[in-house]
Amino acid sequence: DVKVTQSSRYLVKRTGEKVFLECVQDMDHENMFWYRQDPGLGLRLIYFSYDVKMKEKGDIPEGYSVSREKKERFSLILESASTNQTSMYLCASSPPFTGGHNEQFFGPGTRLTVL
Amino acid sequence: ELKVEQNPLFLSMQEGKNYTIYCNYSTTSDRLYWYRQDPGKSLESLFVLLSNGAVKQEGRLMASLDTKARLSTLHITAAVHDLSATYFCAVVGAGGTSYGKLTFGQGTILTVHP
Repeated sequence: DVKVTQSSRYLVKRTGEKVFLECVQDMDHENMFWYRQDPGLGLRLIYFSYDVKMKEKGDIPEGYSVSREKKERFSLILESASTNQTSMYLCASSPPFTGGHNEQFFGPGTRLTVL
Repeated sequence: ELKVEQNPLFLSMQEGKNYTIYCNYSTTSDRLYWYRQDPGKSLESLFVLLSNGAVKQEGRLMASLDTKARLSTLHITAAVHDLSATYFCAVVGAGGTSYGKLTFGQGTILTVHP
């Protein structure tokens, strides 16, 4: 059974704190993604990674960074959390984009509140 | 820039009725996904549509893709309460370095009433 797990379901942090969100997949997928989900805006891509140590900015990378030291793990880092980063964060993984059916599999999400 | 728009954003249906959710996208793509999200849960893949004219059906849901019109539809037949959820369409961006990046619509919140 394919699985993407995220380190926390709920997280509360203070403004200015450094925040780490962890994502692990057990499907040996090359691609991993971080999205944030806000009501009325759908999911927006923050960063993605297509290989270990490789990363690409998504549509809204400002205020975030990422790390991928191992194939199965992709971390999202908020260097100095702000209240406008309060959101639901979703991690996903997928096999390489070969032009076929490369569906993304999503984790359960982390609801982050920044006070 | 690829934009994906769904309508309606909110849909309140009676059980037994039919309805359609529309997904329009702005640039060329030949791959479209439909996902379902239950409250407090993650996204679950419903359909992958890979070519023009593709039609997929699962139970009371049927999805289709018209790449010329840049339009996908998700048709609900004889709705039941269990279909209450948020439905997203997502489109793969064109270009060789897209790595399968998805651009999502805003989501349609579907509520089915007795």
